[in-house]
Amino acid sequence: EPEVTQTPSHQVTQMGQEVILRCVPISNHLYFYWYRQILGQKVEFLVSFYNNEISEKSEIFDDQFSVERPDGSNFTLKIRSTKLEDSAMYFCASRGTSGGNEQFFGPGTRLTVL
Amino acid sequence: AQKVTQAQTEISVVEKEDVTLDCVYETRDTTYYLFWYKQPPSGELVFLIRRNSFDEQNEISGRYSWNFQKSTSSFNFTITASQVVDSAVYFCALSARGSTLGRLYFGRGTQLTVWP
Repeated sequence: EPEVTQTPSHQVTQMGQEVILRCVPISNHLYFYWYRQILGQKVEFLVSFYNNEISEKSEIFDDQFSVERPDGSNFTLKIRSTKLEDSAMYFCASRGTSGGNEQFFGPGTRLTVL
Repeated sequence: AQKVTQAQTEISVVEKEDVTLDCVYETRDTTYYLFWYKQPPSGELVFLIRRNSFDEQNEISGRYSWNFQKSTSSFNFTITASQVVDSAVYFCALSARGSTLGRLYFGRGTQLTVWP
């Protein structure tokens, strides 16, 4: 069964460093999302992406964040200068065009900023 | 504004007990979707079910059942004859038509622990 994959599973970085989180959405899906979950808290929306453009972003998604679909398969989230409070689990999700609005999530990347 | 409330933070049951997880939502949109996701200890988010706002038919799938009531803005989830493997955090989520690509608004989750 097709699934969303994410790499790396865990990333440790120093404050101020840039990180790139990678996702491979389900192959025939056209809508892509990033969410984050700070430890023990609820899942929060960051950004949605379609047709090589950001469709919607939350207040969390400030100028330090960017997304890109560099090729036909990958979808990346970049944090330019990480802060301690960026430590969280980051989930990528994708959605197809048929059926309902269900989004299918990847296993997540745990980002630890020291 | 969209909001999802899961008032139960933690629930503990003994195996084979039935358990209901509550979800109350708020939205001004007339067209919306409701979801339940499961997050086992391994951390991934697993899609369980979707309901749209114009389909109030309740559903049973094996040991799982869902009760959607627009009159009370609730979308509750029941596990019958719970098992240890059901132990997880369960999230209720809402997607409203006002959002271009259907961003999900999650509740805070309910930690379900099933004891043997």
